[in-house]
Amino acid sequence: GDSVTQMEGPVTLSEEAFLTINCTYTATGYPSLFWYVQYPGEGLQLLLKATKADDKGSNKGFEATYRKETTSFHLEKGSVQVSDSAVYFCAPDSNSGYALNFGKGTSLLVTP
Amino acid sequence: DSGVTQTPKHLITATGQRVTLRCSPRSGDLSVYWYQQSLDQGLQFLIQYYNGEERAKGNILERFSAQQFPDLHSELNLSSLELGDSALYFCASSEASGSYNEQFFGPGTRLTVL
Repeated sequence: GDSVTQMEGPVTLSEEAFLTINCTYTATGYPSLFWYVQYPGEGLQLLLKATKADDKGSNKGFEATYRKETTSFHLEKGSVQVSDSAVYFCAPDSNSGYALNFGKGTSLLVTP
Repeated sequence: DSGVTQTPKHLITATGQRVTLRCSPRSGDLSVYWYQQSLDQGLQFLIQYYNGEERAKGNILERFSAQQFPDLHSELNLSSLELGDSALYFCASSEASGSYNEQFFGPGTRLTVL
């Protein structure tokens, strides 16, 4: 079946460091790809999305590119801030009503 | 604020009991999804409704059921509760039921089964 693999962390970085969170997936067909973020004690928020091959999603300094050939959607940010501390989820949508198929989540802690 | 509301915020109950979780989607959204977040299973899709009809099923147990009402709010019913059902239950809504559609998540209901 469909699956998502992402580094689980926790990832600890100093403020202004470069961030990469890897995500690879298996899916039937060509899903839309999403990154969601969950801040402590809150629900999930869409961070960015890409709907077709080579699309780049971007938001709040975060970027991810839909790589069909490697079935990957790695999340990057050039300079993280303390306020970026959260759990990040990679999520392709599925053939099941386009429900999201979430990875395990990557916990990020950014220290001053 | 996503515009999706869930009640109650917290629920504590005993094994064998039955509970109902409620979700109101964003105004205008026809599609409602239910997800379960637990430490061991992560975030899992349970079930989706679109405009009152069941559209898709995920890893939903037979002890669980859901429905979407004419006013588009949805309820998730969990019965014969077990300790392992303790989790955070999220509802999400989207405008339609298709790819590209962003899902907006509610704040969740934290269920504790003792």
